[in-house]
Formats: sequence, structure tokens, C-alpha cells
Amino acid sequence: EAGVAQSPRYKIIEKRQSVAFWCNPISGHATLYWYQQILGQGPKLLIQFQNNGVVDDSQLPKDRFSAERLKGVDSTLKIQPAKLEDSAVYLCASSPPEIAVSTDTQYFGPGTRLTVL
Amino acid sequence: ELKVEQNPLFLSMQEGKNYTIYCNYSTTSDRLYWYRQDPGKSLESLFVLLSNGAVKQEGRLMASLDTKARLSTLHITAAVHDLSATYFCAVDADSWGKFQFGAGTQVVVTP
Repeated sequence: EAGVAQSPRYKIIEKRQSVAFWCNPISGHATLYWYQQILGQGPKLLIQFQNNGVVDDSQLPKDRFSAERLKGVDSTLKIQPAKLEDSAVYLCASSPPEIAVSTDTQYFGPGTRLTVL
Repeated sequence: ELKVEQNPLFLSMQEGKNYTIYCNYSTTSDRLYWYRQDPGKSLESLFVLLSNGAVKQEGRLMASLDTKARLSTLHITAAVHDLSATYFCAVDADSWGKFQFGAGTQVVVTP
């Protein structure tokens, strides 16, 4: 079974530029998550999708971050304009919709390491 | 707001000895997850703990959950170099996948 795919793996941009990240979840996983992991910290949930609807985006800085999951499969996360403090690894994860009542968990992709100069 | 605290944040282990990592959380939850992260890599699921008193074991690692004390422990038996990594616990804040992660425990195992 293929895992969660993300691209690009690395990105370096100047501050005030824009950047987009792509995620393809595990086949059949209805729930998709974007996390931000700053060096030395645990991942922080930015947004959670169930199919193509947003379940939680309470920690997404909406003035500069946006995310979409148009067909309930792939997702993109965009930052515009980027700030220095956005330098982090952006992780995508997916899970079956029954995570709340099962022994399943969230499965993480390899991440995109963003450096803002 | 749910707070998840891990301690210690750094653990230097000697090979062959036993150690414990603690994960405390601030609100009621009966779903707790442990992950491992190697440097530059993503998170790998280790254990899913879903009820009070749950205990899971895999090789030299054993995790347990006490929901009344809001505490989970990850016990390492006879540490070996391959266990060097950062270990995270995560609590499901709303039972629908809204994970709140701890800061992580960096483990270094030396001979």
C-alpha cells in the first residue's frame, strides 16, 4: 500500500514570496491533515479535512495560509506572503474516517522542508 | 485548551539499561498515540492506546495509558543504539482526530 505522498521535499524562498505544497493521501483515507513542525517542536495541526470539507482550521493563520481539497483526495497548502517564521517542515497526514472508533491512527508523509530567507 | 507535556525532553541512555518517558495531558481523553521520528524523517506510528489501562508492547518498547491520572508512559527495556530517535506522544483532543502533540523526547543511546 502506498503511503502519503508530498511534494516538493524541499523549498527555499525569499520572504514575501508565495509557496504551495501538495499532498496525496493514502487511498481510501477520507480525512487529511496539514501540520507545521518547527525545528525542535512537536507538530502543530493547521487544518483538518473530511473529504473536501474543513473540519477544523482554528490554528491556520488565515491571513496568509490557505488550503483546499477540491475533489476529496489531493490537497494543497499555500502560504502567501511568506514570513521568516514560516520556516518549518510541513507535514501532511491522512486517516480513515473511522479513526474515532477504531484502532487506526494518522499516517504521515515525508514532509516539505520550507526555508524562508 | 489541551496541553500535552512530555518529560524529559532529552534522555541520554546507556545501552542495556531501562528508561521511561512520561506524557501528561490536561483534559479528559482516552485516546493517546505514540510516534517515533528519526532525524530528517517523518513520523512513524508506534502505539495506539484507546482506553484506561491499555498496555501495548513491541520489542523493547512498552506503552501504557492511565486516563484517570491523564498519564501515559513509554518504557524502554535494555536500550540499544537503534532506539535513538525523538519520541512524541499525541492526544486526540476531540476524539475525531484533532491531535495535540507533546514537544517530543530526544533519545540518544550510547554504548
